[in-house]
Amino acid sequence: KQEVTQIPAALSVPEGENLVLNCSFTDSAIYNLQWFRQDPGKGLTSLLLIQSSQREQTSGRLNASLDKSSGRSTLYIAASQPGDSATYLCAAPYSGAGSYQLTFGKGTKLSVIP
Amino acid sequence: DTAVSQTPKYLVTQMGNDKSIKCEQNLGHDTMYWYKQDSKKFLKIMFSYNNKELIINETVPNRFSPKSPDKAHLNLHINSLELGDSAVYFCASSPHEGSEQYFGPGTRLTVT
Repeated sequence: KQEVTQIPAALSVPEGENLVLNCSFTDSAIYNLQWFRQDPGKGLTSLLLIQSSQREQTSGRLNASLDKSSGRSTLYIAASQPGDSATYLCAAPYSGAGSYQLTFGKGTKLSVIP
Repeated sequence: DTAVSQTPKYLVTQMGNDKSIKCEQNLGHDTMYWYKQDSKKFLKIMFSYNNKELIINETVPNRFSPKSPDKAHLNLHINSLELGDSAVYFCASSPHEGSEQYFGPGTRLTVT
């Protein structure tokens, strides 16, 4: 079964800093990995989906990397802004008994201080 | 224009009642999901449907019954509600099993 761990659980940075969020997963037989953002009281917004054949995926100031062999993914946020404050969730799939399901980490709560 | 929508947004009810949460997606996706996010914000899959057929049923009490009348809808019916059912329930969809998932805004269920 897949287990996903995110470190740190919470992070507070001043505006303008670059930062890295970490995600590790136990079952490396994945064919993609997805990063989400969740604002308080809101649903999840998909940020990036990295296919197993890719090592990196970029969207604006966000860059996600994937290293299947080590069971790790990172989300890099450049030039952080107060609007980036949210909880960031990493989700890795598990394919068991012929079905596919996402396993989520507990998230990293990011606060960007103006 | 909402891609994945859920109703109601908030639901407050008493123990023992039966309630339903509705989900609709207008993305033309084949696969739909129900997730539960508990008080500790941990998100866990409950059900997954592909083309109206159940493909995942995690260790969920049989008081929870999903119903998919067509590919665009996946409703969640809950019988005999318990205090422990209080949580936020999210519906999601993806083009097919294993592809990028898109989430609805969530339904906050409070059982008193």
